Amino acid sequence: SSELTQDPAVSVALGQTVRITCQGDSLRSYYASWYQQKPGQAPVLVVYGKNNRPSGIPDRFSGSSSGNTASLTITGAQAEDEADYHCNSRDSSGHQLEVFGGGTKVTVL
Amino acid sequence: QLQLQESGSGLVKPSQTLSLTCAVSGGSISSGGYSWSWIRQPPGKGLEWIGYIYHSGSTYYNPSLESRVTISMDRSNNQFSLKLSSVTAADTAVYYCARATTVVTGCWFDPWGQGILVTVSS
Repeated sequence: SSELTQDPAVSVALGQTVRITCQGDSLRSYYASWYQQKPGQAPVLVVYGKNNRPSGIPDRFSGSSSGNTASLTITGAQAEDEADYHCNSRDSSGHQLEVFGGGTKVTVL
Repeated sequence: QLQLQESGSGLVKPSQTLSLTCAVSGGSISSGGYSWSWIRQPPGKGLEWIGYIYHSGSTYYNPSLESRVTISMDRSNNQFSLKLSSVTAADTAVYYCARATTVVTGCWFDPWGQGILVTVSS
């Protein structure tokens, strides 16, 4: 099976840029998808595929990938971006399995 | 707009079977190109994929849960279900249903239901 590793927490000053990373072998073969989760709420998809955003997601959210690392970048972080962010990818074992990272808590200062 | 809503028992005794249903509105679960998923989140922890069922009826499960999990589809009522047998306290979590889009380059889950807290306790 595959594992995805995320930093537990990061902080960013209001209006600045923050990059959230997700590491795992499966990311060499598959794109990550990213989810924002606010306290007491269900996760919401913010980025998927190479760098796609669902309708309604601000363009300050962007995704990228290099080697075994996928990144979610928030450019010009807003107070409402304070949340947990989870990455997800297909397992690299060849079986159709999905895995999630442990999540990153983003604090906007 | 597609919407998903979980329902079922919020309290299950140890060793019994957890049963949840996800009602889908605004779209058909028989539509091709998607699968219908269950994901859970223990209190204070990360997300764990449980499994999904394709519109064809094919199922895929997390190997760590496969021996206890069954996901099924009820096309006539446009809903799908989760059964998890022999539960323990470790199965206490918020359970989410979600639509999955799976392509050659990966998978994503959108939209999600609001989630239902299931507590395993005697």
